Amino acid sequence: EVQLVESGGGLVQPGSPLKLSCAASGFTFSSNWLNWIRQAPGKGLEWVASINPDGSSTYYPDTVKGRFVVSKDNAKNTGYLQMNNLRSEDTAMYYCANGGYGYWGQGVMVTVSS
Amino acid sequence: DIVMTQGVLPNPVPSGESASITCRSSKSLVYKDGKTYLNWFLQRPGQSPQLLTYWMSTRASGVSDRFSGSGSGTYFTLKISRVRAEDAGVYYCQQVREYPRTFGGGTKLELK
Repeated sequence: EVQLVESGGGLVQPGSPLKLSCAASGFTFSSNWLNWIRQAPGKGLEWVASINPDGSSTYYPDTVKGRFVVSKDNAKNTGYLQMNNLRSEDTAMYYCANGGYGYWGQGVMVTVSS
Repeated sequence: DIVMTQGVLPNPVPSGESASITCRSSKSLVYKDGKTYLNWFLQRPGQSPQLLTYWMSTRASGVSDRFSGSGSGTYFTLKISRVRAEDAGVYYCQQVREYPRTFGGGTKLELK
């Protein structure tokens, strides 16, 4: 059974860093792209980051470029989203999903507030 | 960036009827391989999004054949036949033709 499990969320102050993890199982993680998507409370979906199978290429929207870094450790079957200089507008549920968006985690909440 | 614009449903939809959700892209989603790079998702209340269709009209594994995607390069429709209670939620289209990936604003389906 394919599973994606996010962790690492919480309440942080503006300007702080936070690192999310996405533990994958049930499929060949090393051969798959990994995506991160977020959803602000009561709002729609926003794509946040993508990384190719070997981690050599990454993509971001302008809203997080320069602040967020996506990575993956294929030996540990785990993906990461390092979020720096967090802003109140980054408050959202963060989901990881496989390359084709067919599998999603349950999400982890990130709240940025003083 | 490609802008995705979704239509509004005349809610609530009577159970057993059909519903069509529309999505428009600001640029053609047809790639040079001939495929149309559009995904449809359903997000039920309190749940993670679920992939319904990809490449505009290919149903994801395990998805009911009551869901069918169609369209052209810039105008897309997700048709839900014989609507059931479990179909309630918010539907999103997403383009995966180019970066940045972009979603439509969502279309809410409520059942009567």
